[in-house]
Amino acid sequence: AQSVTQLGSHVSVSEGALVLLRCNYSSSVPPYLFWYVQYPNQGLQLLLKYTTGATLVKGINGFEAEFKKSETSFHLTKPSAHMSDAAEYFCAAFYGQNFVFGPGTRLSVLP
Amino acid sequence: SQTIHQWPATLVQPVGSPLSLECTVEGTSNPNLYWYRQAAGRGLQLLFYSVGIGQISSEVPQNLSASRPQDRQFILSSKKLLLSDSGFYLCAYLQELNTEAFFGQGTRLTVV
Repeated sequence: AQSVTQLGSHVSVSEGALVLLRCNYSSSVPPYLFWYVQYPNQGLQLLLKYTTGATLVKGINGFEAEFKKSETSFHLTKPSAHMSDAAEYFCAAFYGQNFVFGPGTRLSVLP
Repeated sequence: SQTIHQWPATLVQPVGSPLSLECTVEGTSNPNLYWYRQAAGRGLQLLFYSVGIGQISSEVPQNLSASRPQDRQFILSSKKLLLSDSGFYLCAYLQELNTEAFFGQGTRLTVV
């Protein structure tokens, strides 16, 4: 079955530190891949997506992600965390007609 | 421009009462439409999706149902709510050529 996993349900970083949120997908055929952010009681906002082409994708708010087919991964990074980055982050894969979401990672940013 | 509307934003319903959540999309035609549920502390669970009017696919068997009476309208319903139906419900649409899902602002449902 198609699935998306996110290692770590909760990640804490200090303000100014590197943010690394992990995502792996299961598929012999690479799907389209996405990262979404969700603030409390709000819908999901797209951060970035990978469809084809360059494997390093840059998104909004200074985030970027790298698609690595050999590792079936699409990890999200940001060089320097900001307090406003505290939110829940979802990795998702698009397989044909459906999106499959990972369980989410809650990012806390400590002052 | 394309927009997605979802209402109500919050809802408190007693156990056994009916449910109707509505989602409409503007500025696009023949979108794929989706209903997701996000339970407290858990990820998003796909409940239903629709690729066209009257076409509904159910991903998880439960006491919820969905309908698509018009191209840009997607309704989530229940005849009798359970306590376990509490959660955050999200509607989304997809423009296939764009391969990007756009989400509504969600409905916080509390069943008491």
